[in-house]
Amino acid sequence: NAGVTQTPKFRVLKTGQSMTLLCAQDMNHEYMYWYRQDPGMGLRLIHYSVGEGTTAKGEVPDGYNVSRLKKQNFLLGLESAAPSQTSVYFCASRLDTVYNEQFFGPGTRLTVL
Amino acid sequence: GENVEQHPSTLSVQEGDSAVIKCTYSDSASNYFPWYKQELGKRPQLIIDIRSNVGEKKDQRIAVTLNKTAKHFSLHITETQPEDSAVYFCAATPSGGSYIPTFGRGTSLIVHP
Repeated sequence: NAGVTQTPKFRVLKTGQSMTLLCAQDMNHEYMYWYRQDPGMGLRLIHYSVGEGTTAKGEVPDGYNVSRLKKQNFLLGLESAAPSQTSVYFCASRLDTVYNEQFFGPGTRLTVL
Repeated sequence: GENVEQHPSTLSVQEGDSAVIKCTYSDSASNYFPWYKQELGKRPQLIIDIRSNVGEKKDQRIAVTLNKTAKHFSLHITETQPEDSAVYFCAATPSGGSYIPTFGRGTSLIVHP
């Protein structure tokens, strides 16, 4: 049982490049989330999904797209990276009730030059 | 939407002292309040949580209290140890909608030996 995994762990991009971050969970969780973490800003929700084939915008969705084609995977895409997207990105998953714990992945540190 | 304020942003204590971190929330529909600990370079992990029908919950050296009327909840750590040094996040989760938690901005706890 690997829990929540993320690839890659680190990435450096140039402005304008694109990339996809992959999140995978093996706990059969319905809900999945993408957050970004910046110093002093806590965890800000980018997009989330309440089940396979569904996605919704969070607090800071601009510049990002997501897809959830399979229940266990949640992809975060940056079409044209900007320096403002330099951050640590965390994926999380949870069962489908309000009282369930969120399990976080190990994070991806992204630098955009 | 929900707004969660967390104080202080930094807390420095001597080993063996107690530490208290406070959070306030705005949405009366929130009824699940988890606390996460994030060690440097690691993922956030749940350390304790409380539901709205409970006023206090303890787990060894940590406890959480909730005052629904005043819309605030607190994390208490007694007999602090250097390994308690980390960033702590509170969150408030509403009972309706997609159960999206709102996080506080975090408290950096430093325990001096």
